[in-house]
Amino acid sequence: AQTVTQSQPEMSVQEAETVTLSCTYDTSENNYYLFWYKQPPSRQMILVIRQEAYKQQNATENRFSVNFQKAAKSFSLKISDSQLGDTAMYFCAFISNFGNEKLTFGTGTRLTIIP
Amino acid sequence: GAVVSQHPSRVICKSGTSVKIECRSLDFQATTMFWYRQFPKKSLMLMATSNEGSKATYEQGVEKDKFLINHASLTLSTLTVTSAHPEDSSFYICSAQTVQTSTDTQYFGPGTRLTVL
Repeated sequence: AQTVTQSQPEMSVQEAETVTLSCTYDTSENNYYLFWYKQPPSRQMILVIRQEAYKQQNATENRFSVNFQKAAKSFSLKISDSQLGDTAMYFCAFISNFGNEKLTFGTGTRLTIIP
Repeated sequence: GAVVSQHPSRVICKSGTSVKIECRSLDFQATTMFWYRQFPKKSLMLMATSNEGSKATYEQGVEKDKFLINHASLTLSTLTVTSAHPEDSSFYICSAQTVQTSTDTQYFGPGTRLTVL
């Protein structure tokens, strides 16, 4: 079974600074997808970024980028020029590419952007 | 694109009554929908997976007779909490997946807060 670990329950950073959220996972599969979801106080889950395991290039979406290290099974999220609206719970998630469509979530990191 | 709605956003009911929560994909056809439960300050716990036109697959420990799931069309799935009790109070979130874009990405609804008195 796959597991996803987020070792930072809470983090805080000053506005405009850069912050990195850690995520590691465990799987025996070679083809899979990784995600970062954001859950702000409204509790709406929002897809932040998606990475395909077979792609070596790290995914980027504006201020959000990932550092995907497949051999190390690491998938960290970097938020640049952090904004107050980035305050939220961030969940790392894994899904295999073998017909099992269940998302496995990490326990989340609560990120607070300080004005 | 890929918008998912849920209704109602919050509901309060008396113990012993049943509550129905709707999950709709607004701009795509959802071949698969998922229902999650989230406790305060916790991650999402998958309850069941439903495919249009077939019976839902429930996760271990989830009572299928208590949490009835219907996925009658490609845009609508419903979760009915039958004979609700205070311990069923929680935040319920649905998500939808489509083969039209990718089979790996789930798009989430805004959630429904259920309070059972």
